[in-house]
Amino acid sequence: GENVEQHPSTLSVQEGDSAVIKCTYSDSASNYFPWYKQELGKRPQLIIDIRSNVGEKKDQRIAVTLNKTAKHFSLHITETQPEDSAVYFCAASNPNTGTASKLTFGTGTRLQVTL
Amino acid sequence: EAGVVQSPRYKIIEKKQPVAFWCNPISGHNTLYWYLQNLGQGPELLIRYENEEAVDDSQLPKDRFSAERLKGVDSTLKIQPAELGDSAVYLCASQTWGEDTQYFGPGTRLTVL
Repeated sequence: GENVEQHPSTLSVQEGDSAVIKCTYSDSASNYFPWYKQELGKRPQLIIDIRSNVGEKKDQRIAVTLNKTAKHFSLHITETQPEDSAVYFCAASNPNTGTASKLTFGTGTRLQVTL
Repeated sequence: EAGVVQSPRYKIIEKKQPVAFWCNPISGHNTLYWYLQNLGQGPELLIRYENEEAVDDSQLPKDRFSAERLKGVDSTLKIQPAELGDSAVYLCASQTWGEDTQYFGPGTRLTVL
């Protein structure tokens, strides 16, 4: 089955700096890679996702890059703000195979943005 | 639109007691997932439903866990009997066919004493 590794486990940046979180996956058939943000005690919320037919996707201060050959993808947050502080999870799945569309999550990165 | 609803939000029980969690997915979402999230970890799939059919329950510990989605809408996850190691957050998520995004509920935090 799929295995997703995520680094770093914790990340502290100063407000206004950039943050980068990296994930690797093992199943070359995976083709959908979402990123979820989870604030303390709250539900995971999708912030951006990418499919394997593109290499990069951007939404305001958030971007995701995908390297299919190396089987890794990264989340980039620019101009970080205190409200970006949360735990971020990457995930991978293969939605085109019917019953195999479950998400496999990484172990999470706790991002702290300091003033 | 209303999001995924779960109840209760918190539950504290003694070991060996039964417990049940309820999930109401987003209206019209055919696919429903139950995930287990241990502290400091990512969610792990327990069971996935397509309408009322459980299509992936390979990760569900069937000796003590059971789930149902009788009418293909709401779902209940049950543990009987609960063990200390079951303390975790139980998340429900739903998804509509043809889209990739899974929408999560707020979860039920279970504490087994």
